[in-house]
Amino acid sequence: GAVVSQHPSWVICKSGTSVKIECRSLDFQATTMFWYRQFPKQSLMLMATSNEGSKATYEQGVEKDKFLINHASLTLSTLTVTSAHPEDSSFYICSARDPGGGVSYEQYFGPGTRLTVT
Amino acid sequence: KNEVEQSPQNLTAQEGEFITINCSYSVGISALHWLQQHPGGGIVSLFMLSSGKKKHGRLIATINIQEKHSSLHITASHPRDSAVYICAVGTDKLIFGTGTRLQVFP
Repeated sequence: GAVVSQHPSWVICKSGTSVKIECRSLDFQATTMFWYRQFPKQSLMLMATSNEGSKATYEQGVEKDKFLINHASLTLSTLTVTSAHPEDSSFYICSARDPGGGVSYEQYFGPGTRLTVT
Repeated sequence: KNEVEQSPQNLTAQEGEFITINCSYSVGISALHWLQQHPGGGIVSLFMLSSGKKKHGRLIATINIQEKHSSLHITASHPRDSAVYICAVGTDKLIFGTGTRLQVFP
């Protein structure tokens, strides 16, 4: 099956700094990628939909100036958490849709990135 | 009421037991996903279903579109199956269930 990677797998940063998380589709081109956030013992929540070559679409309540998404190529989307605060500590997961896979709505998930802000 | 409900929330089993996890949803969907999340957080996509039944190894997933219900079965369960199993429905914007935490003891 299709593979999606994330980097880094975990990161610790100080309050006020920015952190960039990368999501790559390794063996297919993803015109659409999705970013999710998961708090401890809770389910995933969609943060934004990232479309290659255009602006991301953010879900209600997600600050687009805080969570910057860039989908500059068909295999890479990045999420930058700007001016991170401890409440941004969470598990961030991306997924990618393979439009050439024959099933337009199949998504492949990355392994996730655990962010801890101290 | 959540749009996607899973049962049970927690499940313990002895190695070798047959396990069933259920997912009911109230929205119209094009596809239903079953995901596995291990301690440490990594998510693995197990199945995507739009109808019928799929099998992969010891895992079987079924869906009844009319009844808006899906089941994930694990045959001959093993301690390495211990994880959280998550049902998600939708097309682009997935709606996730809260997960079923499975522990299989030797």
